Amino acid sequence: GAVVSQHPSWVICKSGTSVKIECRSLDFQATTMFWYRQFPKQSLMLMATSNEGSKATYEQGVEKDKFLINHASLTLSTLTVTSAHPEDSSFYICSANRDRGRNEQYFGPGTRLTVT
Amino acid sequence: GENVEQHPSTLSVQEGDSAVIKCTYSDSASNYFPWYKQELGKGPQLIIDIRSNVGEKKDQRIAVTLNKTAKHFSLHITETQPEDSAVYFCAASIGTSYDKVIFGPGTSLSVIP
Repeated sequence: GAVVSQHPSWVICKSGTSVKIECRSLDFQATTMFWYRQFPKQSLMLMATSNEGSKATYEQGVEKDKFLINHASLTLSTLTVTSAHPEDSSFYICSANRDRGRNEQYFGPGTRLTVT
Repeated sequence: GENVEQHPSTLSVQEGDSAVIKCTYSDSASNYFPWYKQELGKGPQLIIDIRSNVGEKKDQRIAVTLNKTAKHFSLHITETQPEDSAVYFCAASIGTSYDKVIFGPGTSLSVIP
């Protein structure tokens, strides 16, 4: 159990366009999901915490108008990178918390975004 | 906020030897300490975790120890195999479902056959 999927696994887009990434918990309900980005040979940096039915909480320095997060159901959160630029190229990873009160996060396989 | 440091950044061991990765954290309120293994191009995989009411936890070849007084915790891998080669991240969290997990910078482990 505790499987998290992401779609797409990789995407290439042109500068100025928007890209949506989906994160789904396949066999459990997740009231909280998290979005991270990871640059090559670096650690995971938390971008935002997404709670079902409420607004996401963004980390300092992350532009909420650029990285739109929607958590419309207990099994789906989406991250939309708006007006993407080459510097937004990165590996985006989501995670989901399965058990309320126990912060065990299960990670998706990641989405490789390349902006040309 | 929480800050997690991790050493070494790279580690090479011969197959069959042990590998040890050490982490320190800054927030004394942290009480959940997971370890993740990340292979190239994939998401992190939880391999073991420990909570602050426990000093040591073992799962086959993997063990984690926690010293709350010193605010450090370690990952021990025994009888290493080539498939253990990956990047390992330690992390710390206050440990509710709404609290974030803060990652260390990672250790790239290479197991030489």
